[in-house]
Amino acid sequence: DADVTQTPRNRITKTGKRIMLECSQTKGHDRMYWYRQDPGLGLRLIYYSFDVKDINKGEISDGYSVSRQAQAKFSLSLESAIPNQTALYFCATSDGANYGYTFGSGTRLTVV
Amino acid sequence: GQNIDQPTEMTATEGAIVQINCTYQTSGFNGLFWYQQHAGEAPTFLSYNVLDGLEEKGRFSSFLSRSKGYSYLLLKELQMKDSASYLCAVGYNQGGKLIFGQGTELSVKP
Repeated sequence: DADVTQTPRNRITKTGKRIMLECSQTKGHDRMYWYRQDPGLGLRLIYYSFDVKDINKGEISDGYSVSRQAQAKFSLSLESAIPNQTALYFCATSDGANYGYTFGSGTRLTVV
Repeated sequence: GQNIDQPTEMTATEGAIVQINCTYQTSGFNGLFWYQQHAGEAPTFLSYNVLDGLEEKGRFSSFLSRSKGYSYLLLKELQMKDSASYLCAVGYNQGGKLIFGQGTELSVKP
């Protein structure tokens, strides 16, 4: 099993729909992150969490919300999806020791 | 502000050596990372520099100069499988976050 698992791997949804992307990890890391990746823009931070009670906005949090259900689970929600949220979404974890991340396999989201 | 610059694309020949440069300006510094990302896949960790100098790991080496805000990734004996995007990322003081450059798409030709 992968250390960081994201579901679904691919999703097509309609404008205005609510959608949740899920991330679970077996690394035992406290720190979890959600990034989106767009061509030419690189990876941009949406939200991050240092433990269950600590949630922080990243640079592009508008239109997104998150939930840290347990140390191992960190979900990203789009309350009302719009086409410019079409992107590749990555969850990542870190032990904070040297800030290196372990990434999930990504979720390719298309909003039509 | 936070800024990381790296070339968008590079092309090199199988068996050759290629150097991918990265310059950065960030508020705080806690290390520089290089990741490799094949198309449609997750980034995978290549190297980490926190002190000035060269770190060597097999065919890959990474260099850091903190005073110049500069790093490079050196790939030797290029193989076709090295065709990928290479991401430069900087850790900064605000809670273990990484800021990423846009990535350098490397194409290795026969």
